[in-house]
Amino acid sequence: EPEVTQTPSHQVTQMGQEVILRCVPISNHLYFYWYRQILGQKVEFLVSFYNNEISEKSEIFDDQFSVERPDGSNFTLKIRSTKLEDSAMYFCASSSQAHSGNTIYFGEGSWLTVV
Amino acid sequence: DQQVKQNSPSLSVQEGRISILNCDYTNSMFDYFLWYKKYPAEGPTFLISISSIKDKNEDGRFTVFLNKSAKHLSLHIVPSQPGDSAVYFCAASAGGAQKLVFGQGTRLTINP
Repeated sequence: EPEVTQTPSHQVTQMGQEVILRCVPISNHLYFYWYRQILGQKVEFLVSFYNNEISEKSEIFDDQFSVERPDGSNFTLKIRSTKLEDSAMYFCASSSQAHSGNTIYFGEGSWLTVV
Repeated sequence: DQQVKQNSPSLSVQEGRISILNCDYTNSMFDYFLWYKKYPAEGPTFLISISSIKDKNEDGRFTVFLNKSAKHLSLHIVPSQPGDSAVYFCAASAGGAQKLVFGQGTRLTINP
C-alpha cells in the first residue's frame, strides 16, 4: 500500500541551528502538508502546499519555517533557527485532492528535539 | 482553539464489547469529519470518515455517526479487539479547506 515516508525519524539539534525534515509523499498525490504534535498536545496544522506554492498556513508557520519541493518527489520543511519550543513530532501528509471529503494520509513522523 | 473537542482522555473497554468514542465540534462550517488511529511514535492512520450530508457511515467493525444539530459525532467499534488499543483522534475540515482541525485524542485500551 502506498505510504508517506519521512526522514529522519528522530533528530536532536542545538537551539539556533537549522533543521531540514524530509518527506516523500504518495506518488500520485498533488497536495502536501506539514502538521506537528508537541508532546501531550493536539496535532496542529502548519502548512499546505500545492503547485509549488503554499496554499494555506497557520499562525505557527512564521518566517522561521519554509517548505519546498526541490525535485518533484521530496517535500521538505526547513526550520531556519530552531527554538526549544520547536521540539515536537512533525508529520508530513499528502492527499490526491484538496476538497472536503478527501482523505489526508500521514507519514510516521520525524521527532525533533531541540536542546 | 477548541473547535474540535474529545472530552474523554481515556476509555477502557473489555475485548468483544462495543467501544464508543465521542467528539464535539463548535464550528458549523465543518462539513467533513474523519477519525484517525495513532500508535506511539507513529503517524495518524486514517480509519473512517463522514460527510455532513450523511448521518452514518459504516466500514466493517467501525461506524461513525454524525448528529449535526448537536454538533456531535461518535465512533463505534464492534467488537473491540486488543489491536484496537491506541489513541483515536477526531478531525474536521470546512468548505474545501485543506487543513484538518484535530481533537485532543482519546486513549482506548481494550482489556482481554
